[in-house]
Amino acid sequence: DTEVTQTPKHLVMGMTNKKSLKCEQHMGHRAMYWYKQKAKKPPELMFVYSYEKLSINESVPSRFSPECPNSSLLNLHLHALQPEDSALYLCASSQLLETDTEAFFGQGTRLTVV
Amino acid sequence: GENVGLHLPTLSVQEGDNSIINCAYSNSASDYFIWYKQESGKGPQFIIDIRSNMDKRQGQRVTVLLNKTVKHLSLQIAATQPGDSAVYFCAERMDTGRRALTFGSGTRLQVQP
Repeated sequence: DTEVTQTPKHLVMGMTNKKSLKCEQHMGHRAMYWYKQKAKKPPELMFVYSYEKLSINESVPSRFSPECPNSSLLNLHLHALQPEDSALYLCASSQLLETDTEAFFGQGTRLTVV
Repeated sequence: GENVGLHLPTLSVQEGDNSIINCAYSNSASDYFIWYKQESGKGPQFIIDIRSNMDKRQGQRVTVLLNKTVKHLSLQIAATQPGDSAVYFCAERMDTGRRALTFGSGTRLQVQP
């Protein structure tokens, strides 16, 4: 199983809503990532978790709140988002943060904020 | 970062030709590099990787070349097929500190049948 599964695939939310994006992997990977991708742009790093602890926060606004409840799951809680937060949100995982191995990406959640 | 514009650089090739996609990376402290392929509506898919102690690595129909002197990476695809049409990103990772992948700006490959 080399899959990273993200749910939902699509999400439309209002600016006052609270929603969560979910990511799951069963490869035993201990590093997990959230990336944001706007149209025609490369993925941009948001957060990195290593052994379920937040390792990197790329100065992301507090309306995005990550959570890693166990080694297989990664959530991104959303609250009071702006229309400019509409993007494809990608989750990824890799074996360990310290080793040079590929990161596996999920299919993403296409988020639209209205 | 700087806005590089609304349009991705595009490489258009004929089916069966070889393709070369180039990438200039930014950080001389980067020691691990990956090429990803991203099809429309999908997440990035691993193609091939290379470590900084190598200058060439070959996979099935793909070759990655690394020139650390000029901080340049290239992806060569042999006998390009319509299924190779996608956006290709190079990604780099530093040897210490911020050990997460940073992506380059991407190139769209269009394969004409």
